Amino acid sequence: AQTVTQSQPEMSVQEAETVTLSCTYDTSESDYYLFWYKQPPSRQMILVIRQEAYKQQNATENRFSVNFQKAAKSFSLKISDSQLGDAAMYFCAYRPGANNLFFGTGTRLTVIP
Amino acid sequence: GAVVSQHPSWVICKSGTSVKIECRSLDFQATTMFWYRQFPKQSLMLMATSNEGSKATYEQGVEKDKFLINHASLTLSTLTVTSAHPEDSSFYICSAKETYEQYFGPGTRLTVT
Repeated sequence: AQTVTQSQPEMSVQEAETVTLSCTYDTSESDYYLFWYKQPPSRQMILVIRQEAYKQQNATENRFSVNFQKAAKSFSLKISDSQLGDAAMYFCAYRPGANNLFFGTGTRLTVIP
Repeated sequence: GAVVSQHPSWVICKSGTSVKIECRSLDFQATTMFWYRQFPKQSLMLMATSNEGSKATYEQGVEKDKFLINHASLTLSTLTVTSAHPEDSSFYICSAKETYEQYFGPGTRLTVT
């Protein structure tokens, strides 16, 4: 079974500080993709960052970066220089090959001014 | 970037009536579309996967006779909630896949009174 676990239901961070959101997954596949999605109060799902499992290099998108540990099946998201607009629900997601996405339960991030 | 629209954004209907939600890929052709349901403060739950021109594949526990999905063209999929009841009240999100990327619509809030 393919599962995605986010062990932190809620996290908070001071504005301009750094926060790391955790995600672990379970799979027997060798070809897969990992994603972090942001869902602000508008509830529109926004892709934050993507990681291909075959790539050893951690993905980075501006202030967002991941720590991908394939052997440990861990995929954490680091947000640097946190901004008020980063406050949202963050979902970790796994996709085997070209199939559909499997989502974690989400982490609610609060940014404290 | 690719845009997915949903209509309506919110709808209120009376118990026993049916309601249709449209999902359109505005600037790309989507051979596969997905329908998700999201309860408050919870993750996205995949309801069904639809491929253009063929019958939808429903996830276990999803009633195909209650949630009718039609993917009539490469840019349009519809979800019809038949004989709606208050327990069908939820947030419904569609997603369209272009090649390897999956793009999300803004969601539809359904309230059944």
